[in-house]
Amino acid sequence: DTGVSQNPRHKITKRGQNVTFRCDPISEHNRLYWYRQTLGQGPEFLTYFQNEAQLEKSRLLSDRFSAERPKGSFSTLEIQRTEQGDSAMYLCASSPPGPEENSPLHFGNGTRLTVT
Amino acid sequence: GQQVMQIPQYQHVQEGEDFTTYCNSSTTLSNIQWYKQRPGGHPVFLIQLVKSGEVKKQKRLTFQFGEAKKNSSLHITATQTTDVGTYFCAVPGGYQKVTFGTGTKLQVIP
Repeated sequence: DTGVSQNPRHKITKRGQNVTFRCDPISEHNRLYWYRQTLGQGPEFLTYFQNEAQLEKSRLLSDRFSAERPKGSFSTLEIQRTEQGDSAMYLCASSPPGPEENSPLHFGNGTRLTVT
Repeated sequence: GQQVMQIPQYQHVQEGEDFTTYCNSSTTLSNIQWYKQRPGGHPVFLIQLVKSGEVKKQKRLTFQFGEAKKNSSLHITATQTTDVGTYFCAVPGGYQKVTFGTGTKLQVIP
């Protein structure tokens, strides 16, 4: 179990720039989630994939945010025209297939975004 | 959407004291999960409760799911400095979505 891998670990960008983060889930996990976490808060759900299909997207996710999982393996999260309010830790999680409504989530170490 | 409240928001305890955090939902839950996040780390899954009134133990940690499946608690007996972190409950928030509570930050004073 190599765990969920996220890159980069840290990203500093200037307001207005675009950024892209990558997540590699645990290999046999077909479910992939993106969350955002700010200091002192719990993770906020952004979006969910089952295989390559994006099945749910939070209303928090403005049209500047887009996520893909083209081959049902790794996923990317892109933020266009970044704003200072986008500064946060972006967490990716995966979970295995199965009948359970909610399998445990396995989180990566996250990408910390700072928008200056 | 589904919301869960956790209390307290913060708790400072002397090492060796007990600690409890509570998670409350306004609706009946099919299940509840608990996660721990160490300072600077990512959430790590601890346990999932499914049955009404269920109690599960992991060493010094005791997890309970209420009879009405609307609340849950995590109790730590005789805290140690390794217990420091934020404890989150997490509940189903829709199709495969998991919604996290507000968390309880535990500080253990040696």
